[in-house]
Amino acid sequence: DVKVTQSSRYLVKRTGEKVFLECVQDMDHENMFWYRQDPGLGLRLIYFSYDVKMKEKGDIPEGYSVSREKKERFSLILESASTNQTSMYLCASRPTLGSGANVLTFGAGSRLTVL
Amino acid sequence: AQRVTQPEKLLSVFKGAPVELKCNYSYSGSPELFWYVQYSRQRLQLLLRHISRESIKGFTADLNKGETSFHLKKPFAQEEDSAMYYCALKNRDDKIIFGKGTRLHILP
Repeated sequence: DVKVTQSSRYLVKRTGEKVFLECVQDMDHENMFWYRQDPGLGLRLIYFSYDVKMKEKGDIPEGYSVSREKKERFSLILESASTNQTSMYLCASRPTLGSGANVLTFGAGSRLTVL
Repeated sequence: AQRVTQPEKLLSVFKGAPVELKCNYSYSGSPELFWYVQYSRQRLQLLLRHISRESIKGFTADLNKGETSFHLKKPFAQEEDSAMYYCALKNRDDKIIFGKGTRLHILP
């Protein structure tokens, strides 16, 4: 089974702190994604990575950055956390070839609260 | 703009009744569409995709290009179908964009 692991399930941070959310996948998928999930707003794409060291902005990249130094790891960084970044963050990966191409596999999510 | 619209935030259906979760999209060309489901305390997971044309857990979805719709249907609802359902589209930039989701509540 493909596994996407998000290192932190729950985090509480203060306004202005730097926050790192880590995501690791173990099936050699090329593409990785970060979404935030908010009630009534669905999933909104923050950033997308095609491959190592490659990144694309999603719909709501402001206030976020990402890092993909290794294929299996995709990190989301909040340089200076703000209260409006309180949310559930979902990481996902997908292969680009084969019968599972374009199908996202999600992590369990990281619930971030910014005070 | 490429967009996915799920008009219902909440849908309540009695057990045994038919279910239809609506999804409309805006996309010119041949879209690739998906339904994802999130059960309580579980991860978001793929339910079905239009290119597979299969039935999963009794659910089916047909792509209607004329109406730009991809509605999810099940003839007889079961209590275990209660969940959050998201319709999604792979856009031209190869990203997957999601609708706002519909919470399906099956009444006993």
